[in-house]
Amino acid sequence: AQKITQTQPGMFVQEKEAVTLDCTYDTSDPSYGLFWYKQPSSGEMIFLIYQGSYDQQNATEGRYSLNFQKARKSANLVISASQLGDSAMYFCAMRESGANSKLTFGKGITLSVRP
Amino acid sequence: DAGVIQSPRHEVTEMGQEVTLRCKPISGHDYLFWYRQTMMRGLELLIYFNNNVPIDDSGMPEDRFSAKMPNASFSTLKIQPSEPRDSAVYFCASSRLPLTNSPLHFGNGTRLTVT
Repeated sequence: AQKITQTQPGMFVQEKEAVTLDCTYDTSDPSYGLFWYKQPSSGEMIFLIYQGSYDQQNATEGRYSLNFQKARKSANLVISASQLGDSAMYFCAMRESGANSKLTFGKGITLSVRP
Repeated sequence: DAGVIQSPRHEVTEMGQEVTLRCKPISGHDYLFWYRQTMMRGLELLIYFNNNVPIDDSGMPEDRFSAKMPNASFSTLKIQPSEPRDSAVYFCASSRLPLTNSPLHFGNGTRLTVT
């Protein structure tokens, strides 16, 4: 079963507007972490934001925030005031607890910011 | 603090040749991961190490693939013999404990082309 689901094939947003990128996950582990990464066309993987399963508040990091809805098992990334440099592939990932736990990635979403 | 360093950035080789990819993790990170990224399969975890010991190599596609971590500051991923279907971007990443809230820090990747 897929642990991380990103179903939006591609997203477009006008510069300076906000955009939400969807991510749902599947786990029975009560302790886990959710991560978002950005991959621009240059190819590097850039860590953006983290949300812990026990965190009471939604994570925020500059223009990035995470809309964490635990009961629905969703962890959507919100980018406010989009910039042209935000055009990239965005990956949601999850890490479950346990002595040795790997990071599982979704398929990614392509975001294009229009001027 | 230097990031994860991978070499080479690009590798073009002929089918049947041996390929060695190299990685230097961030100092102090206990975990090292090797991922492969292709359009068809997305980001796949190949193998990861904890304190230089391989923990999970279930993602290594075939016996042609092998990985070593002789010390805390160096790892190699070797493909012998290489095949055209091995063409992909190979990422090395490192992280520290605790796992659930420690992001992976990625290198810039090695783009491998096997002709």
